Amino acid sequence: EVQLVESGGGLVKPGGSLRLSCAASGFTFSSYSMNWVRQAPGKGLEWVSSISSSSSYIYYADSVKGRFTISRDNAKNSLYLQMNSLRAEDTAVYYCARCPPRAATFDYWGQGTLVTVSS
Amino acid sequence: DIQMTQSPSSLSASVGDRVTITCRASQGISNYLAWYQQKPGKVPKLLIYAASTLQSGVPSRFSGSGSGTDFTLTISSLQPEDVATYYCQKYNSAPFTFGPGTKVDIK
Repeated sequence: EVQLVESGGGLVKPGGSLRLSCAASGFTFSSYSMNWVRQAPGKGLEWVSSISSSSSYIYYADSVKGRFTISRDNAKNSLYLQMNSLRAEDTAVYYCARCPPRAATFDYWGQGTLVTVSS
Repeated sequence: DIQMTQSPSSLSASVGDRVTITCRASQGISNYLAWYQQKPGKVPKLLIYAASTLQSGVPSRFSGSGSGTDFTLTISSLQPEDVATYYCQKYNSAPFTFGPGTKVDIK
């Protein structure tokens, strides 16, 4: 069974940093592209970042480019999101999501971790 | 960047009704269009990809159509368990933008 479990969320002050993790199991993690998608309270879905299976290709939404860094450790079956210079508008539930082969859709999602940016 | 719009933003229909949601891309995206269902308090679920291909396990009352810039998600006979917000998403190239969502509830 595919499982994605996010951790690392919490309350942080504006300008602060946080590192999210996503632990994957139930599939060959090193063969799949992975993503972060966020959802602000009461709002819609926003794609944040994607990373290919070997980390060769990385993409970011304009809203986080230069502040967030996606990475993965295939030996540890883990995905990460380093978030710096956090702003109030980054407050959201952050989901880890898997891409099926050859498509940037999201076929499995974690339960999400809440990041709150507030003074 | 390509923008995604959806209409309507919300709708209310009776059980058994046929429901149609429209998604429009600001530029052509061929058939690189997916639909997701997010029930209240739950994680999003992939319903349809490649504009019209049903994800495994999704009931056949859901269908998708379209290509280029205009796409449609249809629920042929609305069921109480279909109460949710539905999102379209483009995936031809980054950014993999979602539409703003359409909230569906029961009249």
